Amino acid sequence: DTGVSQNPRHKITKRGQNVTFRCDPISEHNRLYWYRQTLGQGPEFLTYFQNEAQLEKSRLLSDRFSAERPKGSFSTLEIQRTEQGDSAMYLCASSLARQGQDTQYFGPGTRLTVL
Amino acid sequence: DQQVKQNSPSLSVQEGRISILNCDYTNSMFDYFLWYKKYPAEGPTFLISISSIKDKNEDGRFTVFLNKSAKHLSLHIVPSQPGDSAVYFCAAIKGTYKYIFGTGTRLKVLA
Repeated sequence: DTGVSQNPRHKITKRGQNVTFRCDPISEHNRLYWYRQTLGQGPEFLTYFQNEAQLEKSRLLSDRFSAERPKGSFSTLEIQRTEQGDSAMYLCASSLARQGQDTQYFGPGTRLTVL
Repeated sequence: DQQVKQNSPSLSVQEGRISILNCDYTNSMFDYFLWYKKYPAEGPTFLISISSIKDKNEDGRFTVFLNKSAKHLSLHIVPSQPGDSAVYFCAAIKGTYKYIFGTGTRLKVLA
């Protein structure tokens, strides 16, 4: 399977704890994206990497959130001091930049529950 | 400020008939539109896309229509199959990377 993979698939944590999620994109893809999806909503853009450079962060991404893509391959999303409002599905997507429009391919997501 | 709207949260269609899913947008600067399908416990799967310079794109059973004057796009699925039952999201993009998604429409195809 050469699709986007995410780990863990589910995470339950207590308020105030830190959590880290991992995303492995499709191997030749140089762009990587993080989205958040809450119940009844579509995915909302959080941040975007071109290779290892983080090029944009949404206002949704508070100071408690940090994302990295150290070698331009996998990425991690860390949430510090989790709050109940952080409970959501966190989706990762990747694409191959080319002339014109590149299509984003999504992973299965990590469902976070903050108690 | 919801720039991409899917006003029908759900739709039921008989197997073999046409499914029409609708999406409205407010920003005339969007230059590309996409449809994704999502099954429970899976990520969204790309279905079909259309550039703002076109008004129709077809791929097998799936056709997307774009009406720029009305700022409206629709996805037609013909014939509908039970395996098409899923949540469908439309997305719009301005530039090269930031997708803006609608809230989704749950399609149920009845056998």
